[in-house]
Amino acid sequence: GAVVSQHPSWVICKSGTSVKIECRSLDFQATTMFWYRQFPKQSLMLMATSNEGSKATYEQGVEKDKFLINHASLTLSTLTVTSAHPEDSSFYICSAETDFGGYTFGSGTRLTVV
Amino acid sequence: GENVEQHPSTLSVQEGDSAVIKCTYSDSASNYFPWYKQELGKGPQLIIDIRSNVGEKKDQRIAVTLNKTAKHFSLHITETQPEDSAVYFCAANLYGQNFVFGPGTRLSVLP
Repeated sequence: GAVVSQHPSWVICKSGTSVKIECRSLDFQATTMFWYRQFPKQSLMLMATSNEGSKATYEQGVEKDKFLINHASLTLSTLTVTSAHPEDSSFYICSAETDFGGYTFGSGTRLTVV
Repeated sequence: GENVEQHPSTLSVQEGDSAVIKCTYSDSASNYFPWYKQELGKGPQLIIDIRSNVGEKKDQRIAVTLNKTAKHFSLHITETQPEDSAVYFCAANLYGQNFVFGPGTRLSVLP
């Protein structure tokens, strides 16, 4: 149980376009989801915390107008990278707080902006 | 805020030997300490976790120990196998708040 499905697993987009990444909790309701970014050979860095039905809380240094987070339902949170640039290329991972007091991660999305 | 350090950054062991990875944390209020295994191109997978009211937890070949006084916790893998090769991350948080991850340890199990 407690599975988070993240899509797409990889995406290539052109500079200036937008990309949406979805995270769905398949067998539980996720009131809170977290979005992380990971550069090669580095640890996960929290970008924002999203709570269902309210605005996301962004970490210092993360542009909320560039990384749009929507958590409109208890099973779906989305991250949209707007006007993507090559420096946005990274591995993006979501995680969700589960019903039984733990956290589970999505499989990640590798974004390449060309 | 919380700060998590992790050592070593890389670790190579012979198959069958044990591996130990250590983490320290700074915020004494943290009460949840998970360990994640991340294989190349994949998201982190929880392998074991421990809460602050427990000193040790074991699951088959994997164990975690917690020393609240010293604010450190360790991952122990016994009888290592090649498929244990991956990057391991420790994390600490006050439950309900976001995680702070350690920088990771790249474990290589040599056949």
